[in-house]
Amino acid sequence: DIQMTQSPPSLSASVGDRVTITCRASQNIGDYVNWYQKKPGKAPKVLIYGAASLQSGVPSRFSGSGSGTDFTLTISSLQPEDFATYYCQQSYNTPRMFGQGTKVEIK
Amino acid sequence: QVQLQESGPGLVKPSQTLSLTCTVSGASISSAGYYWSWIRQHPGKGLEWIGYIYYSGSPFYNPSLKSRVTISVDTSKNQFSLRLTSVTAADTAVYYCARERFYDQNRSYLDSWGQGALVTVSS
Repeated sequence: DIQMTQSPPSLSASVGDRVTITCRASQNIGDYVNWYQKKPGKAPKVLIYGAASLQSGVPSRFSGSGSGTDFTLTISSLQPEDFATYYCQQSYNTPRMFGQGTKVEIK
Repeated sequence: QVQLQESGPGLVKPSQTLSLTCTVSGASISSAGYYWSWIRQHPGKGLEWIGYIYYSGSPFYNPSLKSRVTISVDTSKNQFSLRLTSVTAADTAVYYCARERFYDQNRSYLDSWGQGALVTVSS
């Protein structure tokens, strides 16, 4: 199985801050990485697919980068509605594996 | 716009079988380029992929659950289902059905999700 290791597990930030979350794959997976946002009681929502493609309807303050084993999700200016847990996921093979999640909290 | 809705018992006794159905509306489950998935989230934990199925193909399962899980599809009802046998308290989780969209060179992502169904395993 391909392991996805996210960091940090949690972070505190203020509205307007730039936030960066990283994800490392246990082997080279090209750009087969997706990022999801999860809020309590809600279904996950895809933000970024194929490492860097912004899903339709997702604000442009979200961006993704990376290839191979190291990937990054960046929120350029954190908004109140962005406080949530973020997960990376590999789609290179099965079983699909998610990172452990990064909880973004209000400072 | 596609919508997915999980249904099934919210309480299952230990050693029994968990059964959930996902009803798809707004899209055909027989559409090319989509797999139909089950994912779960244990209380306070992260997301765990259970498996997926193509409407005309064999399912793929997470090896950690493979001996206990069955995913099937009913194209006539536009539904797919999850069965998990011999459940224990460790199977208590919110279960999500989702659609995985495939595109360029077999890349894919989960583009639509159900709202989730909490299943508690308890006597």
